[in-house]
Amino acid sequence: EAQVTQNPRYLITVTGKKLTVTCSQNMNHEYMSWYRQDPGLGLRQIYYSMNVEVTDKGDVPEGYKVSRKEKRNFPLILESPSPNQTSLYFCASGWDSSYEQYFGPGTRLTVT
Amino acid sequence: AQRVTQPEKLLSVFKGAPVELKCNYSYSGSPELFWYVQYSRQRLQLLLRHISRESIKGFTADLNKGETSFHLKKPFAQEEDSAMYYCALNTGGFKTIFGAGTRLFVKA
Repeated sequence: EAQVTQNPRYLITVTGKKLTVTCSQNMNHEYMSWYRQDPGLGLRQIYYSMNVEVTDKGDVPEGYKVSRKEKRNFPLILESPSPNQTSLYFCASGWDSSYEQYFGPGTRLTVT
Repeated sequence: AQRVTQPEKLLSVFKGAPVELKCNYSYSGSPELFWYVQYSRQRLQLLLRHISRESIKGFTADLNKGETSFHLKKPFAQEEDSAMYYCALNTGGFKTIFGAGTRLFVKA
Protein backbone atom coordinates (compact mmCIF):
# COMPACT_ATOMS: atom_id res chain seq x y z
CA GLU A 1 0.00 0.00 0.00
CA ALA A 2 1.33 3.40 -1.01
CA GLN A 3 1.67 5.49 2.09
CA VAL A 4 3.64 7.82 4.33
CA THR A 5 4.47 6.48 7.77
CA GLN A 6 5.61 8.37 10.85
CA ASN A 7 7.01 7.12 14.13
CA PRO A 8 6.30 7.51 16.91
CA ARG A 9 2.67 8.53 16.74
CA TYR A 10 2.70 9.94 20.26
CA LEU A 11 5.65 11.18 22.28
CA ILE A 12 5.96 12.88 25.65
CA THR A 13 9.41 14.12 26.50
CA VAL A 14 11.22 16.62 28.67
CA THR A 15 12.92 19.87 27.76
CA GLY A 16 16.36 19.40 26.29
CA LYS A 17 16.20 15.69 25.54
CA LYS A 18 17.07 15.12 21.89
CA LEU A 19 14.50 13.28 19.83
CA THR A 20 13.91 12.15 16.27
CA VAL A 21 10.62 11.65 14.50
CA THR A 22 10.96 9.38 11.52
CA CYS A 23 9.13 9.69 8.23
CA SER A 24 9.18 7.18 5.43
CA GLN A 25 7.39 6.94 2.09
CA ASN A 26 7.20 4.06 -0.36
CA MET A 27 6.06 5.97 -3.45
CA ASN A 28 9.51 6.97 -4.73
CA HIS A 29 8.59 10.63 -4.28
CA GLU A 30 11.33 13.19 -4.66
CA TYR A 31 9.65 15.85 -2.54
CA MET A 32 9.15 15.54 1.20
CA SER A 33 8.14 18.07 3.80
CA TRP A 34 7.49 18.53 7.51
CA TYR A 35 4.69 20.63 8.96
CA ARG A 36 3.49 21.48 12.42
CA GLN A 37 -0.15 22.04 13.17
CA ASP A 38 -1.22 24.32 15.98
CA PRO A 39 -4.73 25.48 16.91
CA GLY A 40 -5.75 28.57 14.99
CA LEU A 41 -2.57 28.55 12.91
CA GLY A 42 -3.18 25.72 10.50
CA LEU A 43 -0.18 23.88 9.11
CA ARG A 44 3.14 25.64 8.98
CA GLN A 45 6.02 24.29 6.97
CA ILE A 46 9.18 23.50 8.93
CA TYR A 47 11.55 22.07 6.33
CA TYR A 48 11.26 20.52 2.93
CA SER A 49 13.44 18.44 0.66
CA MET A 50 13.46 18.45 -3.11
CA ASN A 51 15.58 15.33 -3.39
CA VAL A 52 18.31 13.36 -1.66
CA GLU A 53 20.78 15.66 0.10
CA VAL A 54 18.75 18.74 -0.89
CA THR A 55 16.81 20.44 1.90
CA ASP A 56 15.63 23.95 2.65
CA LYS A 57 13.89 25.90 5.37
CA GLY A 58 10.19 26.47 5.50
CA ASP A 59 8.51 29.18 7.53
CA VAL A 60 9.29 27.88 11.03
CA PRO A 61 12.64 26.04 10.96
CA GLU A 62 14.04 27.29 14.28
CA GLY A 63 14.82 24.47 16.68
CA TYR A 64 14.55 21.73 14.06
CA LYS A 65 16.95 19.83 11.83
CA VAL A 66 16.35 17.43 8.99
CA SER A 67 18.36 15.14 6.78
CA ARG A 68 17.66 13.36 3.53
CA LYS A 69 20.22 10.65 3.01
CA GLU A 70 17.84 8.34 1.21
CA LYS A 71 14.90 9.14 -1.00
CA ARG A 72 12.38 7.30 1.16
CA ASN A 73 13.31 8.76 4.58
CA PHE A 74 13.13 12.28 5.95
CA PRO A 75 13.62 12.36 9.73
CA LEU A 76 12.85 15.43 11.82
CA ILE A 77 15.34 16.06 14.61
CA LEU A 78 14.81 18.20 17.68
CA GLU A 79 18.24 18.64 19.24
CA SER A 80 16.98 20.37 22.38
CA PRO A 81 13.19 20.36 22.50
CA SER A 82 11.36 23.14 24.29
CA PRO A 83 7.72 23.39 25.42
CA ASN A 84 6.87 25.69 22.51
CA GLN A 85 7.57 22.76 20.20
CA THR A 86 4.61 20.90 21.66
CA SER A 87 2.50 20.35 18.57
CA LEU A 88 1.09 17.91 16.04
CA TYR A 89 3.62 17.15 13.33
CA PHE A 90 2.88 15.95 9.83
CA CYS A 91 5.20 14.58 7.22
CA ALA A 92 4.20 14.72 3.56
CA SER A 93 5.61 13.58 0.23
CA GLY A 94 4.88 14.19 -3.43
CA TRP A 95 6.44 14.35 -6.88
CA ASP A 96 6.99 18.02 -6.19
CA SER A 97 5.08 20.69 -4.33
CA SER A 98 3.04 21.54 -7.43
CA TYR A 99 1.34 18.22 -7.22
CA GLU A 100 -0.63 16.45 -4.53
CA GLN A 101 1.12 15.98 -1.22
CA TYR A 102 0.46 12.71 0.60
CA PHE A 103 0.37 13.09 4.35
CA GLY A 104 1.39 10.84 7.16
CA PRO A 105 -0.88 10.16 10.15
CA GLY A 106 0.76 12.74 12.37
CA THR A 107 2.93 12.65 15.48
CA ARG A 108 1.65 14.32 18.61
CA LEU A 109 4.60 15.65 20.58
CA THR A 110 4.41 17.03 24.10
CA VAL A 111 7.47 18.67 25.64
CA THR A 112 7.26 19.29 29.38
CA ALA B 1 4.04 38.82 2.42
CA GLN B 2 2.77 35.49 1.17
CA ARG B 3 -0.30 34.50 3.08
CA VAL B 4 -3.43 32.37 2.95
CA THR B 5 -6.48 33.55 4.86
CA GLN B 6 -9.49 31.47 5.71
CA PRO B 7 -11.73 33.90 7.57
CA GLU B 8 -14.13 31.37 9.05
CA LYS B 9 -12.93 29.01 11.75
CA LEU B 10 -16.27 27.24 11.83
CA LEU B 11 -19.03 27.02 9.28
CA SER B 12 -22.29 25.31 10.13
CA VAL B 13 -24.94 24.58 7.49
CA PHE B 14 -27.95 22.33 7.15
CA LYS B 15 -27.90 19.28 4.94
CA GLY B 16 -28.93 20.19 1.41
CA ALA B 17 -27.93 23.84 1.80
CA PRO B 18 -25.23 25.42 -0.35
CA VAL B 19 -21.85 25.85 1.23
CA GLU B 20 -18.96 28.17 0.47
CA LEU B 21 -15.65 28.04 2.28
CA LYS B 22 -13.67 31.19 1.70
CA CYS B 23 -9.99 31.39 0.89
CA ASN B 24 -8.01 34.50 0.06
CA TYR B 25 -4.35 34.58 -0.76
CA SER B 26 -1.58 37.11 -0.96
CA TYR B 27 1.09 36.35 -3.53
CA SER B 28 2.59 38.47 -6.27
CA GLY B 29 3.47 35.61 -8.59
CA SER B 30 1.36 33.04 -10.39
CA PRO B 31 -0.29 30.99 -7.64
CA GLU B 32 -0.89 27.30 -7.45
CA LEU B 33 -3.79 26.67 -5.11
CA PHE B 34 -5.16 23.59 -3.44
CA TRP B 35 -7.91 22.51 -1.11
CA TYR B 36 -7.09 19.76 1.37
CA VAL B 37 -9.60 18.03 3.62
CA GLN B 38 -9.24 16.12 6.85
CA TYR B 39 -12.16 13.90 7.84
CA SER B 40 -12.44 12.68 11.39
CA ARG B 41 -9.74 10.12 12.20
CA GLN B 42 -8.32 10.28 8.69
CA ARG B 43 -5.24 11.77 7.15
CA LEU B 44 -5.13 15.10 5.44
CA GLN B 45 -5.83 14.52 1.76
CA LEU B 46 -6.07 16.54 -1.40
CA LEU B 47 -9.58 17.55 -2.39
CA LEU B 48 -8.81 19.52 -5.51
CA ARG B 49 -6.24 21.68 -7.31
CA HIS B 50 -7.09 24.81 -9.22
CA ILE B 51 -5.01 23.78 -12.19
CA SER B 52 -7.06 20.64 -12.79
CA ARG B 53 -10.40 22.52 -12.78
CA GLU B 54 -12.28 19.42 -11.75
CA SER B 55 -15.16 18.72 -9.41
CA ILE B 56 -14.50 16.31 -6.58
CA LYS B 57 -17.33 15.03 -4.37
CA GLY B 58 -19.47 17.82 -5.76
CA PHE B 59 -17.02 20.53 -4.70
CA THR B 60 -15.61 23.11 -7.09
CA ALA B 61 -13.25 26.01 -6.64
CA ASP B 62 -12.48 28.80 -9.06
CA LEU B 63 -9.37 30.88 -8.95
CA ASN B 64 -10.20 34.59 -9.07
CA LYS B 65 -6.94 36.44 -9.57
CA GLY B 66 -8.62 39.84 -9.43
CA GLU B 67 -10.00 39.16 -5.97
CA THR B 68 -7.10 36.85 -5.04
CA SER B 69 -9.57 34.23 -3.93
CA PHE B 70 -10.06 30.49 -4.30
CA HIS B 71 -13.35 29.79 -2.58
CA LEU B 72 -14.61 26.22 -2.27
CA LYS B 73 -18.25 25.66 -3.13
CA LYS B 74 -20.81 22.90 -3.11
CA PRO B 75 -24.45 23.42 -4.07
CA PHE B 76 -25.93 20.84 -1.69
CA ALA B 77 -24.02 19.95 1.45
CA GLN B 78 -24.10 16.38 2.78
CA GLU B 79 -23.47 15.19 6.33
CA GLU B 80 -20.38 13.33 5.16
CA ASP B 81 -18.87 16.65 4.09
CA SER B 82 -18.32 17.53 7.76
CA ALA B 83 -14.56 17.89 8.10
CA MET B 84 -11.69 20.33 8.43
CA TYR B 85 -10.82 22.10 5.18
CA TYR B 86 -7.51 23.77 4.43
CA CYS B 87 -6.66 26.06 1.57
CA ALA B 88 -3.00 25.90 0.50
CA LEU B 89 -0.79 28.02 -1.73
CA ASN B 90 2.31 26.83 -3.49
CA THR B 91 4.60 29.77 -4.06
CA GLY B 92 7.13 28.05 -6.25
CA GLY B 93 10.51 27.03 -4.92
CA PHE B 94 8.80 24.13 -3.18
CA LYS B 95 7.28 26.15 -0.35
CA THR B 96 3.67 25.57 0.63
CA ILE B 97 1.59 27.89 2.80
CA PHE B 98 -1.58 26.65 4.43
CA GLY B 99 -4.46 28.65 5.81
CA ALA B 100 -5.65 28.18 9.38
CA GLY B 101 -8.47 25.93 8.26
CA THR B 102 -12.26 25.98 8.39
CA ARG B 103 -14.25 23.36 10.21
CA LEU B 104 -17.41 22.56 8.29
CA PHE B 105 -20.30 21.06 10.22
CA VAL B 106 -23.27 19.84 8.23
CA LYS B 107 -26.38 19.41 10.35
CA ALA B 108 -29.06 16.86 9.57
